[in-house]
Amino acid sequence: GAVVSQHPSWVICKSGTSVKIECRSLDFQATTMFWYRQFPKQSLMLMATSNEGSKATYEQGVEKDKFLINHASLTLSTLTVTSAHPEDSSFYICSARDTAGGPWDEQFFGPGTRLTVL
Amino acid sequence: QKEVEQNSGPLSVPEGAIASLNCTYSDRVSQSFFWYRQYSGKSPELIMSIYSNGDKEDGRFTAQLNKASQYVSLLIRDSQPSDSATYLCAVNEKIKAAGNKLTFGGGTRVLVKP
Repeated sequence: GAVVSQHPSWVICKSGTSVKIECRSLDFQATTMFWYRQFPKQSLMLMATSNEGSKATYEQGVEKDKFLINHASLTLSTLTVTSAHPEDSSFYICSARDTAGGPWDEQFFGPGTRLTVL
Repeated sequence: QKEVEQNSGPLSVPEGAIASLNCTYSDRVSQSFFWYRQYSGKSPELIMSIYSNGDKEDGRFTAQLNKASQYVSLLIRDSQPSDSATYLCAVNEKIKAAGNKLTFGGGTRVLVKP
């Protein structure tokens, strides 16, 4: 149980293009999903909290117009990196919290998407 | 600024020995604590969660929590080369408006030598 998938697992794109990453909870419903970014040899940095049916909450310093988040259903959240540039190259990881999982809020992570912008 | 601190390591451990990882956190009202294992190039995998003071054991892993000292630790018994990874300590920061966010430490890299 508690499986989270991401698609694609890796993507290479040209500077200026947009890239969409999907995050799905496969065997549970997730009212809340989280998007993280991880640069080499650094820890996870939370970018935003995605809430089903409402606007995402972005962390300080994360541009909401550049990183568009949509959480249209209880099992799917998408992150779109708009007008990507080489400095956006990173490992993007989503996590999901089981809506029925009780008060302790364990987060289960997807396998990540490695984005390379040329 | 709520913080979670870990020694970055690397923590070098002989195969079969006990690896001891430590984590301190600054937010006194934190309620739940997690240890994730992350292999190089992979995403984090939840290995332990702990919510009450004391010890919690699961297989070769034991998590220890001391809320008064704001300290949580992870012990790995009978360490195996496959345990070589970065271990991330995470603390649940309860914020109603934004959902319950996790604050991660920088991770401790563990190397188990055969």
